[in-house]
Amino acid sequence: DIQMTQSPSSLSASVGDRVTITCRATQSISKYLNWYQQKPGKAPKLLIYAASSLESGVPSRFSGSGSGTDFTLTISSLQPEDFATYYCQQSYRTPYTFGQGTKLEIK
Amino acid sequence: QVQLVQSGAEVKKPGASVKVSCKASGYTFTGYYMHWVRQAPGQGLEWMGWINPKSGDTNYAQKFQGRVTMTRDTSISTAYMELSRLRSDDTAVYYCARMTVIAPTALDYWGKGTLVTVSS
Repeated sequence: DIQMTQSPSSLSASVGDRVTITCRATQSISKYLNWYQQKPGKAPKLLIYAASSLESGVPSRFSGSGSGTDFTLTISSLQPEDFATYYCQQSYRTPYTFGQGTKLEIK
Repeated sequence: QVQLVQSGAEVKKPGASVKVSCKASGYTFTGYYMHWVRQAPGQGLEWMGWINPKSGDTNYAQKFQGRVTMTRDTSISTAYMELSRLRSDDTAVYYCARMTVIAPTALDYWGKGTLVTVSS
């Protein structure tokens, strides 16, 4: 199975900060990498697909990059509604594994 | 608008089975694979498998092989996930989510989740 490792596992930041979350795969997954945001008690929401494509309706402060094994999610200027947990997921090969999550908290 | 409406919360005893439904609307049911993902309390997301609603083909994570069965009823645009021989560590919220068939593939719409509690 392809293992996905996110870093950091948790992060404290302030409104307006620029934040970067990384995700690393144990083998190349080309650009088959997706990012989701999850708020407490809610289903995950797709933010970025194919490593760098912004899902419709998602604010442009979210961006993704990378290919192969190393990927990043960047939030250019944190807003209050962005405090949540973020997950990466590879859709290159089943099982479509998720990273362990990065909890973004208010400093 | 696309909607995935899941069945309500369940409480089961260890060793029992549970069957969760996911009714799709707002799109062509057979045009997207349906995936199931679960999340134990306070934990991360765990992919369980998918079903192709058009063919009925399935692909399960090895961890759940032999215990999970995914089916569908195209006449009512509903997918089902049945998990048998339940254990306490199967307590989780179970989500259905659709994925495009053609790359790039991502889970773009999710149900709200079904809490399954396994307790004696």
